[in-house]
Amino acid sequence: DSGVTQTPKHLITATGQRVTLRCSPRSGDLSVYWYQQSLDQGLQFLIQYYNGEERAKGNILERFSAQQFPDLHSELNLSSLELGDSALYFCASSVTPGGQETQYFGPGTRLLVL
Amino acid sequence: GQQVMQIPQYQHVQEGEDFTTYCNSSTTLSNIQWYKQRPGGHPVFLIQLVKSGEVKKQKRLTFQFGEAKKNSSLHITATQTTDVGTYFCAGPQGGNTPLVFGKGTRLSVIA
Repeated sequence: DSGVTQTPKHLITATGQRVTLRCSPRSGDLSVYWYQQSLDQGLQFLIQYYNGEERAKGNILERFSAQQFPDLHSELNLSSLELGDSALYFCASSVTPGGQETQYFGPGTRLLVL
Repeated sequence: GQQVMQIPQYQHVQEGEDFTTYCNSSTTLSNIQWYKQRPGGHPVFLIQLVKSGEVKKQKRLTFQFGEAKKNSSLHITATQTTDVGTYFCAGPQGGNTPLVFGKGTRLSVIA
């Protein structure tokens, strides 16, 4: 158990819909990362937050947005969903935001768009 | 931007055979990290290498960081079925930026 929690574990929805994925980082971690993993694909970095502020952006679509709240939990919002958005979405956390830090991954949310 | 390439993409081995995955970066890395993702699971941190030429061992796993700090390898001796999974390397883009993950090497072990 990494100490990072993600809800829900599974999500099935239809095209055009909007969903929210939630992540709670490990106790004491200030930085949160979101990744997308499609079938047979690596980890695509989406976005990073550190202590409530956006820190870095990766290949995140304009239909996607995220935020980190004062209690440090984070939410990833996916809107106007398309079939191709079906994937595993991981959240990870680390103490500080730099590339020296080990990232601890949550169990992921499996999203299926029908 | 910086890229981290991993080869091979897939590797099938008989139980007891050795396995090696290679990681190459287009730029010099301040450190490199390795993660393992079991089927149906999430990536789990294995190790971090920081020094040029560094070699670290964890039981049957040997990790190396190249002298130029642009490449790394993970070698597993005498694979077991518990080694099945995808192995990712990751390195920072530079400065205080997040890790860039390679696409991973998926290891299958045939008993």
